[in-house]
Amino acid sequence: QVQLQESGPGLVKPSETLSLTCSVSGGSISSHYWSWIRQPPGKGLEYIGYIYYSGSTKYSPSLKSRVTMSVDTSKNQFSLKLSSVTAADAAVYYCARVDPSGRSAASLDYWGQGTLVTVSS
Amino acid sequence: QSVLTQPPSVSAAPGQKVTISCSGSSSNMGKNYVSWYQQLPKTAPKLLIYDNNKRPSGIPDRFSGSKSGTSATLGITGLQTGDEADYYCGTWDSSLSAVVFGGGTTLTVL
Repeated sequence: QVQLQESGPGLVKPSETLSLTCSVSGGSISSHYWSWIRQPPGKGLEYIGYIYYSGSTKYSPSLKSRVTMSVDTSKNQFSLKLSSVTAADAAVYYCARVDPSGRSAASLDYWGQGTLVTVSS
Repeated sequence: QSVLTQPPSVSAAPGQKVTISCSGSSSNMGKNYVSWYQQLPKTAPKLLIYDNNKRPSGIPDRFSGSKSGTSATLGITGLQTGDEADYYCGTWDSSLSAVVFGGGTTLTVL
């Protein structure tokens, strides 16, 4: 059973960079696409982007200028960096796997439990 | 404002059937596959339906999905109190080159 676990600081200061890591267990990170999604408190899901195990990426246009994703296959982890954060970036951040049996990047079959990131000085 | 449009809430009695709609456009729903997610309170979303109408292993056949043109529908039969959750549709948007989600629908089982 594939399991994903997000980790990183729960508090980030405005204008600084949010950094999160997703650790994958129970399966290999190789040959899969991996995504980040966030959910502001009380609101809906917002897609951030995905990364392939090879390192190729696709980011949401609304966040593209501030997002960087990377992957470390040796550690079975992938990461998210979001720069110049503001209060609007406060959310629960989820990592997820793109379902390899699906025909869309919107099909996400395994999710982490999510980690709450607060933006405050 | 979400790219995909869902009703904010729906409700039905236990044992009844409910449908949740998701409306998009030609750049997203019109040409790409739709997924549906169930999010129970304080938990991560769970994939219910993918590729418009396929159920992942372990999802009961009480849950069904369909798509026609630029709209999709999630159906839930034999409603249970445990089905009370937020439901989201999602698909790829070819113009944005990104996944887009609906705003979510809260299901209440009265």
